[in-house]
Amino acid sequence: AQSVSQHNHHVILSEAASLELGCNYSYGGTVNLFWYVQYPGQHLQLLLKYFSGDPLVKGIKGFEAEFIKSKFSFNLRKPSVQWSDTAEYFCAVILTGGGNKLTFGTGTQLKVEL
Amino acid sequence: DGGITQSPKYLFRKEGQNVTLSCEQNLNHDAMYWYRQDPGQGLRLIYYSQIVNDFQKGDIAEGYSVSREKKESFPLTVTSAQKNPTAFYLCASSIGTSEQFFGPGTRLTVL
Repeated sequence: AQSVSQHNHHVILSEAASLELGCNYSYGGTVNLFWYVQYPGQHLQLLLKYFSGDPLVKGIKGFEAEFIKSKFSFNLRKPSVQWSDTAEYFCAVILTGGGNKLTFGTGTQLKVEL
Repeated sequence: DGGITQSPKYLFRKEGQNVTLSCEQNLNHDAMYWYRQDPGQGLRLIYYSQIVNDFQKGDIAEGYSVSREKKESFPLTVTSAQKNPTAFYLCASSIGTSEQFFGPGTRLTVL
């Protein structure tokens, strides 16, 4: 079955530390890839997306992600986190041409300490 | 303002009752979705609809039902057959396989 794995369930960092959250998927075809963020008490919102082209994509608030096709990975990075980045982060994958089913990973709860 | 609205924000239900969660969008999106969010499990797809008067089961459709009579609306009914309905329910919409836009969610608690 198709699946999305997020390896880190809880991450605690100090402000200014670098962040990398792992995401791997098991689809065999062409995919669209997303990272969503859910800040406390807020809507789930899109952080960044990859459809095609440059595998290094930049999103909002200084986040970026790299699509490595050979590794079926789409890891999220940020060079220097802020306290306001405290949130839950979800990786999601959709198989193009396979309907509109978006499959989410289980999420990573990030806490940034001052 | 374009967006997705869900109501109510909080909903309490007694065991054995059916309840209906509302989802409305004014983004003119063809596709709409219902997800269930539980701690540590991410979002799981309940039902989705790619066009009016058509919908498909997602990964956890048992105990739920939907309708799509209008493009703007995609209500979800949680039936008494759903064994563990207490959860946070999110509605979303999209254009095809592009990004999905999410509503603020409804937290359902079964008493």
